[in-house]
Amino acid sequence: NAGVMQNPRHLVRRRGQEARLRCSPMKGHSHVYWYRQLPEEGLKFMVYLQKENIIDESGMPKERFSAEFPKEGPSILRIQQVVRGDSAAYFCASSPDRGGTGELFFGEGSRLTVL
Amino acid sequence: AQSVSQHNHHVILSEAASLELGCNYSYGGTVNLFWYVQYPGQHLQLLLKYFSGDPLVKGIKGFEAEFIKSKFSFNLRKPSVQWSDTAEYFCAVNGAGNQFYFGTGTSLTVIP
Repeated sequence: NAGVMQNPRHLVRRRGQEARLRCSPMKGHSHVYWYRQLPEEGLKFMVYLQKENIIDESGMPKERFSAEFPKEGPSILRIQQVVRGDSAAYFCASSPDRGGTGELFFGEGSRLTVL
Repeated sequence: AQSVSQHNHHVILSEAASLELGCNYSYGGTVNLFWYVQYPGQHLQLLLKYFSGDPLVKGIKGFEAEFIKSKFSFNLRKPSVQWSDTAEYFCAVNGAGNQFYFGTGTSLTVIP
Protein backbone atom coordinates (compact mmCIF):
# COMPACT_ATOMS: atom_id res chain seq x y z
CA ASN A 1 0.00 0.00 0.00
CA ALA A 2 1.89 3.01 -1.24
CA GLY A 3 -1.11 5.26 -0.83
CA VAL A 4 -0.26 6.97 2.45
CA MET A 5 3.12 8.61 2.16
CA GLN A 6 5.18 9.57 5.15
CA ASN A 7 8.49 11.33 5.21
CA PRO A 8 11.09 11.26 6.34
CA ARG A 9 11.25 7.55 7.06
CA HIS A 10 14.07 8.10 9.51
CA LEU A 11 14.91 11.29 11.35
CA VAL A 12 17.70 11.90 13.84
CA ARG A 13 17.59 14.94 16.06
CA ARG A 14 19.59 16.17 19.02
CA ARG A 15 17.83 17.15 22.20
CA GLY A 16 16.29 20.59 21.91
CA GLN A 17 15.89 20.53 18.14
CA GLU A 18 12.62 20.44 16.25
CA ALA A 19 11.21 17.46 14.38
CA ARG A 20 8.71 17.76 11.55
CA LEU A 21 7.01 14.68 10.23
CA ARG A 22 4.90 14.82 7.11
CA CYS A 23 2.01 12.70 5.93
CA SER A 24 0.22 12.75 2.61
CA PRO A 25 -3.01 10.75 2.83
CA MET A 26 -4.34 8.52 0.12
CA LYS A 27 -6.00 10.28 -2.75
CA GLY A 28 -9.57 11.10 -1.88
CA HIS A 29 -9.02 10.76 1.85
CA SER A 30 -9.76 13.78 3.97
CA HIS A 31 -9.21 12.33 7.43
CA VAL A 32 -5.80 11.84 8.99
CA TYR A 33 -4.80 10.15 12.21
CA TRP A 34 -1.41 10.20 13.90
CA TYR A 35 -0.22 7.42 16.19
CA ARG A 36 2.94 6.88 18.17
CA GLN A 37 4.39 3.41 18.59
CA LEU A 38 6.71 2.57 21.42
CA PRO A 39 8.08 -0.90 22.17
CA GLU A 40 5.69 -2.92 24.34
CA GLU A 41 3.12 -0.12 24.22
CA GLY A 42 1.39 -0.63 20.93
CA LEU A 43 -0.12 2.21 19.00
CA LYS A 44 -1.08 5.28 20.97
CA PHE A 45 -3.56 7.67 19.40
CA MET A 46 -2.30 11.21 19.20
CA VAL A 47 -4.52 13.34 17.00
CA TYR A 48 -7.29 13.13 14.41
CA LEU A 49 -7.55 15.83 11.78
CA GLN A 50 -9.66 16.76 8.86
CA LYS A 51 -8.67 19.35 6.30
CA GLU A 52 -7.99 22.58 8.20
CA ASN A 53 -9.54 21.21 11.38
CA ILE A 54 -8.34 19.36 14.43
CA ILE A 55 -11.14 16.99 15.32
CA ASP A 56 -9.62 15.32 18.38
CA GLU A 57 -6.22 16.00 19.92
CA SER A 58 -6.85 14.24 23.21
CA GLY A 59 -3.81 12.04 22.73
CA MET A 60 -1.37 14.84 22.11
CA PRO A 61 1.00 15.88 24.89
CA LYS A 62 0.03 19.32 26.08
CA GLU A 63 3.39 20.87 25.34
CA ARG A 64 5.82 20.79 22.42
CA PHE A 65 3.55 18.77 20.12
CA SER A 66 1.31 20.21 17.45
CA ALA A 67 -0.35 19.00 14.29
CA GLU A 68 -1.95 20.53 11.27
CA PHE A 69 -3.60 19.45 8.07
CA PRO A 70 -3.81 22.46 5.78
CA LYS A 71 -6.12 22.85 2.83
CA GLU A 72 -3.20 22.25 0.52
CA GLY A 73 -0.28 20.01 1.28
CA PRO A 74 0.46 17.22 3.72
CA SER A 75 -0.42 16.87 7.35
CA ILE A 76 2.47 17.81 9.62
CA LEU A 77 3.25 16.58 13.10
CA ARG A 78 5.63 18.97 14.77
CA ILE A 79 7.64 18.27 17.88
CA GLN A 80 9.50 21.18 19.36
CA GLN A 81 12.50 20.89 21.69
CA VAL A 82 12.68 17.15 21.35
CA VAL A 83 13.74 14.97 24.27
CA ARG A 84 14.99 11.40 24.31
CA GLY A 85 11.55 10.17 25.32
CA ASP A 86 10.18 11.36 21.97
CA SER A 87 12.15 8.64 20.20
CA ALA A 88 9.54 6.41 18.63
CA ALA A 89 7.88 5.41 15.40
CA TYR A 90 5.16 7.81 14.32
CA PHE A 91 2.49 6.41 12.04
CA CYS A 92 0.00 8.31 9.99
CA ALA A 93 -3.23 6.77 8.76
CA SER A 94 -5.99 8.10 6.57
CA SER A 95 -9.58 7.26 5.86
CA PRO A 96 -12.02 8.49 3.24
CA ASP A 97 -14.79 9.22 5.68
CA ARG A 98 -15.22 9.62 9.39
CA GLY A 99 -14.20 6.04 9.88
CA GLY A 100 -17.47 4.77 11.16
CA THR A 101 -17.69 1.99 8.66
CA GLY A 102 -14.33 2.22 7.05
CA GLU A 103 -10.82 1.25 7.87
CA LEU A 104 -7.59 3.06 8.31
CA PHE A 105 -4.85 2.94 5.72
CA PHE A 106 -1.41 3.34 7.20
CA GLY A 107 1.82 4.83 6.00
CA GLU A 108 5.15 3.16 6.61
CA GLY A 109 5.95 5.36 9.54
CA SER A 110 8.60 7.87 10.49
CA ARG A 111 11.18 6.71 12.99
CA LEU A 112 12.47 9.51 15.15
CA THR A 113 15.68 9.07 17.10
CA VAL A 114 16.67 11.72 19.59
CA LEU A 115 20.32 11.71 20.58
CA ALA B 1 -13.20 5.74 27.23
CA GLN B 2 -12.69 2.77 25.02
CA SER B 3 -9.78 0.44 25.56
CA VAL B 4 -8.45 -2.67 23.93
CA SER B 5 -6.58 -5.47 25.69
CA GLN B 6 -4.43 -8.03 24.02
CA HIS B 7 -3.41 -10.68 26.48
CA ASN B 8 -0.52 -12.27 24.68
CA HIS B 9 2.47 -10.02 24.17
CA HIS B 10 4.78 -12.60 22.64
CA VAL B 11 3.80 -15.89 21.05
CA ILE B 12 6.17 -18.44 19.59
CA LEU B 13 4.80 -21.29 17.53
CA SER B 14 6.13 -23.95 15.25
CA GLU B 15 4.89 -24.08 11.68
CA ALA B 16 1.55 -25.84 11.28
CA ALA B 17 0.53 -25.09 14.85
CA SER B 18 -2.80 -23.45 15.47
CA LEU B 19 -3.00 -19.84 16.53
CA GLU B 20 -5.41 -17.92 18.71
CA LEU B 21 -4.74 -14.37 19.82
CA GLY B 22 -7.01 -12.84 22.38
CA CYS B 23 -8.57 -9.40 22.17
CA ASN B 24 -11.01 -7.81 24.58
CA TYR B 25 -12.43 -4.34 24.42
CA SER B 26 -14.34 -2.13 26.75
CA TYR B 27 -17.13 -0.13 25.20
CA GLY B 28 -20.83 -0.38 25.73
CA GLY B 29 -22.06 0.83 22.38
CA THR B 30 -21.91 -0.40 18.84
CA VAL B 31 -18.38 -1.04 17.70
CA ASN B 32 -16.50 -1.96 14.60
CA LEU B 33 -13.62 -4.35 15.18
CA PHE B 34 -10.41 -4.85 13.27
CA TRP B 35 -7.25 -6.89 13.23
CA TYR B 36 -4.20 -5.34 11.65
CA VAL B 37 -0.87 -6.99 10.92
CA GLN B 38 2.54 -5.40 10.72
CA TYR B 39 5.20 -7.49 9.01
CA PRO B 40 8.81 -6.68 9.90
CA GLY B 41 9.78 -3.31 8.48
CA GLN B 42 6.40 -2.71 6.89
CA HIS B 43 3.31 -0.63 7.55
CA LEU B 44 0.18 -1.88 9.22
CA GLN B 45 -2.31 -3.51 6.94
CA LEU B 46 -5.80 -4.79 7.49
CA LEU B 47 -6.28 -8.51 8.12
CA LEU B 48 -10.01 -8.50 8.67
CA LYS B 49 -12.86 -6.41 10.04
CA TYR B 50 -16.26 -6.85 11.63
CA PHE B 51 -19.07 -4.35 11.31
CA SER B 52 -22.23 -6.40 11.62
CA GLY B 53 -23.82 -9.69 10.62
CA ASP B 54 -22.10 -13.03 10.91
CA PRO B 55 -19.87 -12.82 13.99
CA LEU B 56 -17.33 -15.13 12.39
CA VAL B 57 -15.38 -13.14 9.85
CA LYS B 58 -12.77 -14.36 7.46
CA GLY B 59 -9.81 -12.33 6.37
CA ILE B 60 -6.79 -12.64 4.19
CA LYS B 61 -4.19 -15.40 4.39
CA GLY B 62 -6.47 -17.87 6.15
CA PHE B 63 -7.12 -15.77 9.23
CA GLU B 64 -10.51 -15.53 10.89
CA ALA B 65 -11.91 -13.87 13.96
CA GLU B 66 -15.00 -14.35 16.05
CA PHE B 67 -16.93 -11.54 17.66
CA ILE B 68 -18.53 -12.61 20.93
CA LYS B 69 -20.58 -9.68 22.12
CA SER B 70 -21.31 -11.08 25.56
CA LYS B 71 -17.60 -11.43 26.23
CA PHE B 72 -16.54 -8.21 24.52
CA SER B 73 -14.04 -10.29 22.62
CA PHE B 74 -12.74 -10.50 19.08
CA ASN B 75 -10.16 -13.27 19.02
CA LEU B 76 -8.02 -13.96 15.98
CA ARG B 77 -7.45 -17.51 14.81
CA LYS B 78 -5.59 -19.45 12.17
CA PRO B 79 -5.65 -23.26 12.03
CA SER B 80 -2.11 -23.69 10.72
CA VAL B 81 0.49 -20.94 10.84
CA GLN B 82 3.35 -20.48 8.44
CA TRP B 83 6.78 -18.94 8.87
CA SER B 84 5.57 -15.97 6.80
CA ASP B 85 2.99 -15.18 9.49
CA THR B 86 5.77 -13.90 11.73
CA ALA B 87 4.63 -10.36 12.47
CA GLU B 88 3.04 -8.05 15.00
CA TYR B 89 -0.74 -8.27 15.31
CA PHE B 90 -2.93 -5.45 16.53
CA CYS B 91 -6.56 -5.53 17.51
CA ALA B 92 -8.47 -2.27 17.09
CA VAL B 93 -11.88 -0.90 17.97
CA ASN B 94 -13.78 1.93 16.35
CA GLY B 95 -16.84 3.34 18.00
CA ALA B 96 -18.39 6.68 18.81
CA GLY B 97 -16.29 9.70 17.95
CA ASN B 98 -14.73 7.86 15.05
CA GLN B 99 -11.66 7.05 17.03
CA PHE B 100 -9.66 3.94 16.44
CA TYR B 101 -8.20 2.43 19.61
CA PHE B 102 -5.47 -0.15 19.30
CA GLY B 103 -4.25 -2.83 21.64
CA THR B 104 -0.61 -3.12 22.63
CA GLY B 105 0.01 -5.73 19.98
CA THR B 106 1.09 -9.36 19.96
CA SER B 107 4.40 -10.35 18.51
CA LEU B 108 4.14 -13.70 16.76
CA THR B 109 7.23 -15.69 15.85
CA VAL B 110 6.76 -18.82 13.78
CA ILE B 111 9.65 -21.25 13.82
CA PRO B 112 10.16 -23.22 10.62
